[in-house]
This record gives sequence, C-alpha cells and structure tokens, in this order.
Amino acid sequence: NAGVTQTPKFRVLKTGQSMTLLCAQDMNHEYMYWYRQDPGMGLRLIHYSVGEGTTAKGEVPDGYNVSRLKKQNFLLGLESAAPSQTSVYFCASSYSIIGGWTYNEQFFGPGTRLTVL
Amino acid sequence: KQEVTQIPAALSVPEGENLVLNCSFTDSAIYNLQWFRQDPGKGLTSLLLIQSSQREQTSGRLNASLDKSSGRSTLYIAASQPGDSATYLCAFNNAGNMLTFGGGTRLMVKP
Repeated sequence: NAGVTQTPKFRVLKTGQSMTLLCAQDMNHEYMYWYRQDPGMGLRLIHYSVGEGTTAKGEVPDGYNVSRLKKQNFLLGLESAAPSQTSVYFCASSYSIIGGWTYNEQFFGPGTRLTVL
Repeated sequence: KQEVTQIPAALSVPEGENLVLNCSFTDSAIYNLQWFRQDPGKGLTSLLLIQSSQREQTSGRLNASLDKSSGRSTLYIAASQPGDSATYLCAFNNAGNMLTFGGGTRLMVKP
C-alpha cells in the first residue's frame, strides 16, 4: 500500500495563477481532508469530504475549492493564488466510522510545499 | 472552541533519557486524541490513538495517557534515541471530522 500520496511535492506560483493539488489514497477510506500548516499557526483544516461526491468546509476554506469525484481522490483547487496561501498543504484520510468517531484515526500524506510570489 | 497547548515548545536531552511531552486541552468533550511525529520537511506519522473511553495506549517505547478531567495528555518516551529527534504533535478530535492540533514539541536527542 502506498497509503496517502500527494502531487506535486513542490510548486511556485505567481499571484493570480491557478492550480490543483491532487491527493490519492489506496486504503479504501471514506473520509478525506485537506490541511495547511503555517509557522506559528499549526495545522488547520481547509475542507473535508465524508464520501464520494460530498465536500464540506473546515476552519479556513476561503480561497479554496475541492472536489471528490472518485472515492480514492480528493482535489484541492486554488482559483486565484495569493501570497497568503503560501504554505505546506497536507492531505489526510480516515476509514469509515464503525462504532463512532472514537475510532477515526487520520493518516497523512507527505505534503505539498506551495510558494505564491 | 477547542484550544490545544503543548509544553515545552522545544526539548533537548541526552540519549538514553526517559522523557515526557505534555499536551493540554480546554474542551473535555473529545472523541479521541492522536499523537503524531513529524520529521523536518516531511508529513505526519501517526504514533498512537487514544479513544475517549481509554486512559492510555502503548506502542514499543511510547506510552500515551489521557486524563479528560484535568484536560491533559502526556506522551512518554522511554530510553530516548537520536532517531527519536523530530517534532511531536498532539491533536484532538472533538468535532467528528476535524482535528485540532497543538503547536508541537521539537525534540532533539543528542548522542
């Protein structure tokens, strides 16, 4: 199992450009998440999905869109990149809830380092 | 809103020491907590998950405890090794879908 993979690993954008980050998982997990990690701010949830075709907003969703067309993939889009979106982006996934949220262990990908100039 | 604090922010110890990392939280209505390890420039590796009904979990030299009444969790690392050097993060799940992370403890184990 590759677990959770992310592409690309690094990217540099100019202000106003758009891009899509791809997350893939091969663990048949129902739930997928996008986080960003910033110095002094820790990790914060951007968007998440509880199943194919469904998405929901997290703590810091502004400026991002997501799609979950296939169960194994979760895409994060930046329509018009801003310097404030310079960050490290992590994708995570977790399995279906059996017995409640207490079993919901999240597994993370290696991250995408994005710089917006 | 859940707030999570990790103390100390950084720790340097000689190899072989037993050490304790602390994590405190403000909202005791949690589903579970996870301890992660993050190496520089890398992703997060899940170390331990403690369910809300449990008091502790063990994996090898690692032991994590949870005390909801006092709003604390600790990660105990026995016989520390240079390979344990990393940032350790605690995270609480008290909203079903969302993990709330602490700021992390940066650990350096010197040979």
